[in-house]
Amino acid sequence: DAGITQSPRHKVTETGTPVTLRCHQTENHRYMYWYRQDPGHGLRLIHYSYGVKDTDKGEVSDGYSVSRSKTEDFLLTLESATSSQTSVYFCAITKTYLNTGELFFGEGSRLTVL
Amino acid sequence: KNEVEQSPQNLTAQEGEFITINCSYSVGISALHWLQQHPGGGIVSLFMLSSGKKKHGRLIATINIQEKHSSLHITASHPRDSAVYICAASAQDSNYQLIWGAGTKLIIKP
Repeated sequence: DAGITQSPRHKVTETGTPVTLRCHQTENHRYMYWYRQDPGHGLRLIHYSYGVKDTDKGEVSDGYSVSRSKTEDFLLTLESATSSQTSVYFCAITKTYLNTGELFFGEGSRLTVL
Repeated sequence: KNEVEQSPQNLTAQEGEFITINCSYSVGISALHWLQQHPGGGIVSLFMLSSGKKKHGRLIATINIQEKHSSLHITASHPRDSAVYICAASAQDSNYQLIWGAGTKLIIKP
């Protein structure tokens, strides 16, 4: 199994509070992704990173920011959580581009915003 | 219309049956991924393929680029195969984005 760890695995928070989810990998893979999974929507890309300090927006990036100061860590921050951000968040990594690289996922972080 | 369509949406079969899940896409792709998600669980990559056929144990994935179609087959199905199977296309015009199918929920009854 690819070494990907997400933390926390479960979190309940209140509207308006900041939340940071962490994705840690031990594979030294260059590319990292944050997805959210909601019923009826499947997986949607929030942000991705193609290297240290190199990040870009995905299709549902509003309300989220990311940072990658080290190869192994990719942080997803909700500056002011809203109920619409209640979801399961998955981190994923690939060694190369998605057209040639197998995708490895973390176990997911379930976030509930009350 | 979604750019990646899976069928069927739901499939219930008896243990031992041969299973086929289909994925059709309307965009140019450079690769197609098949993934598995167990209830309440994580997501596991099964295959990534850009042509031909790949086999891993009882799982076989095929892709026909000309017809823009891929299939995932499970031979001698088992209740532990019960999961959601998802196909996702790596579009030719993007190295970072995948276009996701809605998933096929498979239940194998003993």
